[in-house]
Amino acid sequence: ELKVEQNPLFLSMQEGKNYTIYCNYSTTSDRLYWYRQDPGKSLESLFVLLSNGAVKQEGRLMASLDTKARLSTLHITAAVHDLSATYFCAGMEYGNKLVFGAGTILRVKS
Amino acid sequence: NAGVMQNPRHLVRRRGQEARLRCSPMKGHSHVYWYRQLPEEGLKFMVYLQKENIIDESGMPKERFSAEFPKEGPSILRIQQVVRGDSAAYFCASSPGRGNQETQYFGPGTRLLVL
Repeated sequence: ELKVEQNPLFLSMQEGKNYTIYCNYSTTSDRLYWYRQDPGKSLESLFVLLSNGAVKQEGRLMASLDTKARLSTLHITAAVHDLSATYFCAGMEYGNKLVFGAGTILRVKS
Repeated sequence: NAGVMQNPRHLVRRRGQEARLRCSPMKGHSHVYWYRQLPEEGLKFMVYLQKENIIDESGMPKERFSAEFPKEGPSILRIQQVVRGDSAAYFCASSPGRGNQETQYFGPGTRLLVL
């Protein structure tokens, strides 16, 4: 059974700073997803990482996947207030079942 | 191209009543998934359906909860005799249904509050 753990669960950071959110998973997951959720809203797909060593970047966010370590990271560069949201990573079990981490609440302070 | 649609967006029920949540998948998608998000938690898988068929219901509570995806019309998640612990956001997602491990696209969710 796939288990997904994120840390930290809460992150308060200053604008302009860098930080990384970590996502560990317990068993093989062929792909790893990162989603963003704003309060009271649905999930917005950010990245799909398909293979070992995959790295994807969009604006100030960069995601990577190390399947050997069963670790994915979401790196935030020079944070801005608009990035404040909850970020989820999710693995996929065979049969299309997404297994989510608990989420990381990110608050960027001016 | 319309995304995944869910209605109602907010639903208030008293304990013991029934709740019906609807989900229309994206155009061209034939697979639907339901997830539940309890307050301050991540999403938990409930059920995976295709038209007229339940593929995986391993995340569904054994009692009071049921789901269907008929040949015509939206997918329905039905909760009978709701209790306060059912208060949560229920998200529907859809995928094309052409293979395994497809990307799922999420709807806006239904926030259920049980008084």
